[in-house]
Amino acid sequence: DTAVSQTPKYLVTQMGNDKSIKCEQNLGHDTMYWYKQDSKKFLKIMFSYNNKELIINETVPNRFSPKSPDKAHLNLHINSLELGDSAVYFCASSQGQGIGELFFGEGSRLTVL
Amino acid sequence: AQKITQTQPGMFVQEKEAVTLDCTYDTSDPSYGLFWYKQPSSGEMIFLIYQGSYDQQNATEGRYSLNFQKARKSANLVISASQLGDSAMYFCAMRVYSSASKIIFGSGTRLSIRP
Repeated sequence: DTAVSQTPKYLVTQMGNDKSIKCEQNLGHDTMYWYKQDSKKFLKIMFSYNNKELIINETVPNRFSPKSPDKAHLNLHINSLELGDSAVYFCASSQGQGIGELFFGEGSRLTVL
Repeated sequence: AQKITQTQPGMFVQEKEAVTLDCTYDTSDPSYGLFWYKQPSSGEMIFLIYQGSYDQQNATEGRYSLNFQKARKSANLVISASQLGDSAMYFCAMRVYSSASKIIFGSGTRLSIRP
């Protein structure tokens, strides 16, 4: 039973399109995150939610909009996709804000053509 | 500002040898935590080991140990008796509790184990 699951695993789309990535965790954790891993493997935090409340927003363009309908779900919607958005997007969760290690999903590889 | 530095972009090690992956960090906060993650070629992120800034002893988990030198602000990962399956990217990360508890990552080290 997967602890942190993301869908879809792969997205290939054209510039200008809108896409969403969904994330769910069944660990009972309070805090969820989105990280972006670029082509050089650098991992950068984008957003963090604690109990559905946004607590970290790392100067990400407002084309990126996270939504947390409940503490087990954190979705990422991206408008007007650009070439530079191509990356692997990782969802993660932790027991609480400042508590425990990150548990990562498998990643969603986004390719913008 | 908080920062994590991994100065070894790539390393080659003979199977069964021990290997040390370097990590230095920078923070003025007295309360922080240090993590190591492994990313095999399949892409998933695997948690390996954790060290808190107030922990008196170095953390160990099986073949993994963390050489924590607080005064030098270093948190090197030591893998004993390396195996072919240890070939992967390794990331050092830090959580700073005063900074919304976000976890920031270093640039990673690609470790390759030679048979």
